[in-house]
Amino acid sequence: NAGVTQTPKFQVLKTGQSMTLQCAQDMNHNSMYWYRQDPGMGLRLIYYSASEGTTDKGEVPNGYNVSRLNKREFSLRLESAAPSQTSVYFCASTPGRADSEAFFGQGTRLTVV
Amino acid sequence: GENVEQHPSTLSVQEGDSAVIKCTYSDSASNYFPWYKQELGKRPQLIIDIRSNVGEKKDQRIAVTLNKTAKHFSLHITETQPEDSAVYFCAASISHTDKLIFGTGTRLQVFP
Repeated sequence: NAGVTQTPKFQVLKTGQSMTLQCAQDMNHNSMYWYRQDPGMGLRLIYYSASEGTTDKGEVPNGYNVSRLNKREFSLRLESAAPSQTSVYFCASTPGRADSEAFFGQGTRLTVV
Repeated sequence: GENVEQHPSTLSVQEGDSAVIKCTYSDSASNYFPWYKQELGKRPQLIIDIRSNVGEKKDQRIAVTLNKTAKHFSLHITETQPEDSAVYFCAASISHTDKLIFGTGTRLQVFP
């Protein structure tokens, strides 16, 4: 089992460019998440998906869109990147129970210049 | 909205000493409290968790305590080792969901 796999690992964008971060899990988990990690801010939830075809905003959704393509895949799109979106992005998944362990991907370090 | 506060933001200890990290949460309906360890450049990984029907849980050198009345929980690491150096995050569940609110993290440094 690969667990949760994110691509790419690193990316540099120019302001205004768009890109999609990909995430896939092979644990048959129902719930998937996108977080951003900034120094001193912890992990903040961007978007959440409880099942295929459903998505919900988290704490910091502005500037992002998501797609739960199927049970395995959950992508995060930046339509017009801004320097404030420079961050490390983590995808995670859980079985969907309220007290279950979250498994994280290896992260994507995104720099917007 | 829901909030989790974590202290201290940095903690330096001598190898063999104990380390304590504290968190408070705002949602009285939270019932799941995990702790994640993140080594430099790596992904966060679960090290221990506690549910609201339990006051304390231990796993070798690490333990977590929960005080539901005061809405705070703590991570205790005894006999610290250099490989314990990492950033530790506490989290609390958002009621009636499987979403988590994370604390801002504690950078623990263990000096040999």
